[in-house]
Amino acid sequence: NAGVTQTPKFQVLKTGQSMTLQCAQDMNHEYMSWYRQDPGMGLRLIHYSVGAGITDQGEVPNGYNVSRSTTEDFPLRLLSAAPSQTSVYFCASSYYQGVEKLFFGSGTQLSVL
Amino acid sequence: AQSVTQLGSHVSVSEGALVLLRCNYSSSVPPYLFWYVQYPNQGLQLLLKYTSAATLVKGINGFEAEFKKSETSFHLTKPSAHMSDAAEYFCAVTMYNNNDMRFGAGTRLTVKP
Repeated sequence: NAGVTQTPKFQVLKTGQSMTLQCAQDMNHEYMSWYRQDPGMGLRLIHYSVGAGITDQGEVPNGYNVSRSTTEDFPLRLLSAAPSQTSVYFCASSYYQGVEKLFFGSGTQLSVL
Repeated sequence: AQSVTQLGSHVSVSEGALVLLRCNYSSSVPPYLFWYVQYPNQGLQLLLKYTSAATLVKGINGFEAEFKKSETSFHLTKPSAHMSDAAEYFCAVTMYNNNDMRFGAGTRLTVKP
């Protein structure tokens, strides 16, 4: 099994550009989530989904959009990139809700100039 | 909302010495607590989790953690450090039927030969 796959691994954007970070899992997990990791702040939840067609906001949702059209995919969209969105982004999934073990992707390192 | 605080952003131990990484939680209801480990340029991996069963939880790679309600703590220990234990460690908390898992800021463990 591939587990949780994130693409791209690295990305450089200019301020104001938009882009989509891709996340796919092949474990038939209902729960998927996006985190950002910043030095000294740990991981912060951006958005999550408990199944196809259901999404909700986490701790730091501003500037990001998500959708969940299939069980497998959970893309994260940056609408108008800002330097404050420079971070490492992780997608994670689990069998059910957050009380279950989270499986993490390998991350996307994003720089916004 | 629930939260965790990790005391010490950096911990350095000698190979063979005791490892102690500290985590205190804040939660209005019984929490579910986790320790994750992150090796360089990788996603997070679950070390162990507490879900209201035994208060002493054993995880992978010889790590264990003890849930102490009176101290609101969930410290991670390992009797004898190995060089391969060098990584960043994250404590996390959530609650039953809660989709918002909150992570601590992380503790970077260095193991000296």
